[in-house]
Amino acid sequence: DGGITQSPKYLFRKEGQNVTLSCEQNLNHDAMYWYRQDPGQGLRLIYYSQIVNDFQKGDIAEGYSVSREKKESFPLTVTSAQKNPTAFYLCASSLLAGRYNEQFFGPGTRLTVL
Amino acid sequence: KQEVTQIPAALSVPEGENLVLNCSFTDSAIYNLQWFRQDPGKGLTSLLLIQSSQREQTSGRLNASLDKSSGRSTLYIAASQPGDSATYLCAVSEITLIFGTGTRLQVFP
Repeated sequence: DGGITQSPKYLFRKEGQNVTLSCEQNLNHDAMYWYRQDPGQGLRLIYYSQIVNDFQKGDIAEGYSVSREKKESFPLTVTSAQKNPTAFYLCASSLLAGRYNEQFFGPGTRLTVL
Repeated sequence: KQEVTQIPAALSVPEGENLVLNCSFTDSAIYNLQWFRQDPGKGLTSLLLIQSSQREQTSGRLNASLDKSSGRSTLYIAASQPGDSATYLCAVSEITLIFGTGTRLQVFP
C-alpha cells in the first residue's frame, strides 16, 4: 500500500521542549516537503529536500530543523525557538523536485503547545 | 511575490447544483496548478493538476480550467453531492507550491 505516513497524529508539547514529527514515504519519490497550516491561512512551506542529504529553507524555517538521511524519511524537529508552534503540520512528496511535479500529501500531525 | 486568492471563502449549496470555485494568481509565469481537497482534520488529496501548457483537465464530475494570461483557474463541480463537502485548495507551482486559503464547501441534502 503506497503512500505517505505521518506520526503521531496528535502531539502535545510543553514550553521549552523540542519535538520531532515523523514523515515516511514508500513512493520512491526524490523530493519531500514540510508545510504548516494555521486556521484561515493557506499552507506555508517550512523546509524541502530535493535529494538525500540536502535540504533548503522555505518561507518560515525559523525555529525548525530537518534531516534527510534516507530517501524515504524526512523528519521535522520543532525546537523551543519556535515561539508559536501550535498548528497542523503536513508532509508531502513528489517524484522529482521542480516545477512540473505533482505533490502528494500525508494525513498530517496536529501539534499543540500546553 | 506570487499571491494566490480563492473566492468565495465559503459556499453552501443544495445537492445537485453545479458549482464553480475560483482561484486567481498574481504572477502568470507558473509551471502548473494543482487543485486539492481537504476534509476536516485530514491531509490533502490531489484532485487535478494542470500543466502550464494545458487549458483544462477533467476527472469524473470535476473539471479544472487554466487561463495563465488572466491569472485564473476555475474548478467546476457537476451535480454536487453531500460527499463533496470539504475545503478546496488551489496551489501554483514554482520550485514548491504556493497555496490559496481555500474555499469551504458545504453541500446539503
